[in-house]
Amino acid sequence: KAGVTQTPRYLIKTRGQQVTLSCSPISGHRSVSWYQQTPGQGLQFLFEYFSETQRNKGNFPGRFSGRQFSNSRSEMNVSTLELGDSALYLCASSDRFNSPLHFGNGTRLTVT
Amino acid sequence: AQKITQTQPGMFVQEKEAVTLDCTYDTSDQSYGLFWYKQPSSGEMIFLIYQGSYDEQNATEGRYSLNFQKARKSANLVISASQLGDSAMYFCAMREGLYGGSQGNLIFGKGTKLSVKP
Repeated sequence: KAGVTQTPRYLIKTRGQQVTLSCSPISGHRSVSWYQQTPGQGLQFLFEYFSETQRNKGNFPGRFSGRQFSNSRSEMNVSTLELGDSALYLCASSDRFNSPLHFGNGTRLTVT
Repeated sequence: AQKITQTQPGMFVQEKEAVTLDCTYDTSDQSYGLFWYKQPSSGEMIFLIYQGSYDEQNATEGRYSLNFQKARKSANLVISASQLGDSAMYFCAMREGLYGGSQGNLIFGKGTKLSVKP
């Protein structure tokens, strides 16, 4: 099975712009989660989608949003980018409650 | 209060020796899961090992074993026979409410950077 695929791998954006990141989960996995990783805050949970519905959300402002499509692929959007949004964004998928999350390689976003 | 604490920011180990990475956790849930992930410099998070709160045996996966002490709320990772390729960041994580909570919401520690010396 192919692993979790995230595109693009690298992004450079300017403050105030918006960005969309994409994630394709492992085939058959219906849960997709997003995480932000920064040197200062570490790994922080953004949100989780299951069967096209947001099931859980972390403590991030409304500028961070996401969605999931019927094929379980997910997108994450960040509007009005700030310098502090520079981070590695990781997507993960899983197939049931007591199974591990399988992560993609991440998208490294730099905001200038 | 931190829910996952990894007290070792960095560690060195000689190749072929064993090493223990510490992790303590804090939860009031009876049902939870504990995970260890490895993150090489490339950025991908690689799943290593899982321990459920109701599992009586310590988990093992090849060279990785999890020393689970429930009363002490610790879940230390033991890597036997270290290899140069084991050099990476290691993260301990917890999922609370194992069968009713969020499947995708893991709480991560700050990580331990392991360096294996030849």
